[in-house]
Amino acid sequence: GIQVEQSPPDLILQEGANSTLRCNFSDSVNNLQWFHQNPWGQLINLFYIPSGTKQNGRLSATTVATERYSLLYISSSQTTDSGVYFCAVPFFAGKSTFGDGTTLTVKP
Amino acid sequence: DAGVIQSPRHEVTEMGQEVTLRCKPISGHDYLFWYRQTMMRGLELLIYFNNNVPIDDSGMPEDRFSAKMPNASFSTLKIQPSEPRDSAVYFCASSPRDEQFFGPGTRLTVL
Repeated sequence: GIQVEQSPPDLILQEGANSTLRCNFSDSVNNLQWFHQNPWGQLINLFYIPSGTKQNGRLSATTVATERYSLLYISSSQTTDSGVYFCAVPFFAGKSTFGDGTTLTVKP
Repeated sequence: DAGVIQSPRHEVTEMGQEVTLRCKPISGHDYLFWYRQTMMRGLELLIYFNNNVPIDDSGMPEDRFSAKMPNASFSTLKIQPSEPRDSAVYFCASSPRDEQFFGPGTRLTVL
């Protein structure tokens, strides 16, 4: 199956800072998802982004499928952005492979 | 739509007891997934269904685990007998095709 690697594994920011999270995958994909798991454990859909760029408020994501990576940008980070960010790519008949996640801590 | 609904949200049981977790997917979604999340192993896919039919159960850890989907709006994951190492958060997710939507999870503690 497809291998998915996320970097960095951990990230600590001061409130107001910007950050970029990366997701690399080992094979061509038709789509990719970004999730945020908040400190309460909820897995929240951020983006469904097969290619190109999407923006939602302070968050945006870019997927370059031909180069096998996706980036998640967080601008003007807030403490509520803390949690774990996962990317996931489907690889066969509905199954998805998840990365190990990036744990983001935003300090006030 | 209310999103994916799971019950119970928390379950505490004793070793050897039967545990049943429930899931109601988003209406119209053809795929349903059961995941388990632990600190040690991360997010693991246990089993998934397409149109109520189990497609891949290779992630089910052992015969103590079973899952059913009797209709398009309901699925169960059963553990019998439960063991302390089954303690985890169990997520149900549904998908129309590729994009997955997760429920709030059931936090299971087996004493």
